[in-house]
Amino acid sequence: DIQMTQSPSTLSASVGDRVTITCRASQSISSWLAWYQQKPGKAPKLLIYDASSLESGVPSRFSGSGSGTEFTLTISSLQPDDFATYYCQQYNSYSTFGPGTKVDIK
Amino acid sequence: EVQLVESGGGLVQPGGSLRLSCAASGFTFSSYSMNWVRQAPGKGLEWVSYISSSSSTIYYADSVKGRFTISRDNAKNSLYLQMNSLRAEDTAVYYCARDVVVSPEPYYFDYWGQGTLVTVSS
Repeated sequence: DIQMTQSPSTLSASVGDRVTITCRASQSISSWLAWYQQKPGKAPKLLIYDASSLESGVPSRFSGSGSGTEFTLTISSLQPDDFATYYCQQYNSYSTFGPGTKVDIK
Repeated sequence: EVQLVESGGGLVQPGGSLRLSCAASGFTFSSYSMNWVRQAPGKGLEWVSYISSSSSTIYYADSVKGRFTISRDNAKNSLYLQMNSLRAEDTAVYYCARDVVVSPEPYYFDYWGQGTLVTVSS
């Protein structure tokens, strides 16, 4: 089974900050990685797929990069609506989610 | 507008059974693979099960294999999850999620329902 890790687990930031979240896979998953945003009491929302493709309707301040075992989600300028928990998901072999990174207000 | 609406959650005793449903609308349900994903209270997301568009391919997470059964009725635009031998650790919000492509395995999920809470407790 492919295991996913994320760092940090919690990130405190201010509006306007550049934020980077890292996701690592226990084995190579090529570019078969997605990122989701989840707010309390809500379903996850797809942000990025295939490691770096932006889902339609998602603001361009979100970007993804990486391949193989190491991936990053970057928010170029954090907005008030971006305070949430972010999950990576591999779909190279079945599906596994990372443990999540909570972005809260500094 | 794509909509996924789960139902069937509730309180059940350990060892009991529950059947979840997911009603789909706004898209051609029979053309898409579907999944169940769960989230224990205060915890992260866990993929539970996958079913292909024609029901020919089904996968389960090891944590539910042998206890849960996924199925679908394309005529009724509905997805199901039969959960047997429930344990306290199955307590979670269960989401149905649409696979973005017709693929032989889970892919990424572009639409999610609002979730239904299953609580396993005596």
